Amino acid sequence: QQQVKQSPQSLIVQKGGISIINCAYENTAFDYFPWYQQFPGKGPALLIAIRPDVSEKKEGRFTISFNKSAKQFSLHIMDSQPGDSATYFCAASRPSASKIIFGSGTRLSIRP
Amino acid sequence: GAGVSQSPSNKVTEKGKDVELRCDPISGHTALYWYRQRLGQGLEFLIYFQGNSAPDKSGLPSDRFSAERTGESVSTLTIQRTQQEDSAVYLCASSLVGTGASYEQYFGPGTRLTVT
Repeated sequence: QQQVKQSPQSLIVQKGGISIINCAYENTAFDYFPWYQQFPGKGPALLIAIRPDVSEKKEGRFTISFNKSAKQFSLHIMDSQPGDSATYFCAASRPSASKIIFGSGTRLSIRP
Repeated sequence: GAGVSQSPSNKVTEKGKDVELRCDPISGHTALYWYRQRLGQGLEFLIYFQGNSAPDKSGLPSDRFSAERTGESVSTLTIQRTQQEDSAVYLCASSLVGTGASYEQYFGPGTRLTVT
């Protein structure tokens, strides 16, 4: 119940295309769903986050779509750029929780 | 000022030796977290500090692992009698408030530990 399942493990997208990464969870008590971006040799950095009271959140080229009934959420990167090449982690946490549960990560490569 | 810093950036040690990993959080951040990231995998929670106390140690994999935090600042993660399966990147993060992990966590660059 504490797991967050992420797919695909790796993804190659042409420059200008749309990158889509999917995550699914079981624990309905989760109420915060962040996405982190990690470049090689660096720690993860918060990219965008959503709470389950909205179905979509958009920040620039990055959009989170959230389906509460299906217990799924996804990250869409529009007009993908080579600089977006990184590992992306979805995550989830419960109210007053001291820890974030991370997915296994997706290695995204954007081809020029 | 500066972000979360960790030292050393890389550590190679022999099996059976003890190691200490250091984390300097962002000034004023009361919450501090340690995570482990094995190659090609996600982040595994180890321990959470609120101030100098650790209300959640549930992720520490064995009694060989311990951590402390002093002065609501620096934290040290100690691994005793290291094993090869301890090889990983150890990440530290801090946040302004700890109750409720929905407050943004700022990560350091990590310490890459290799046990030979």
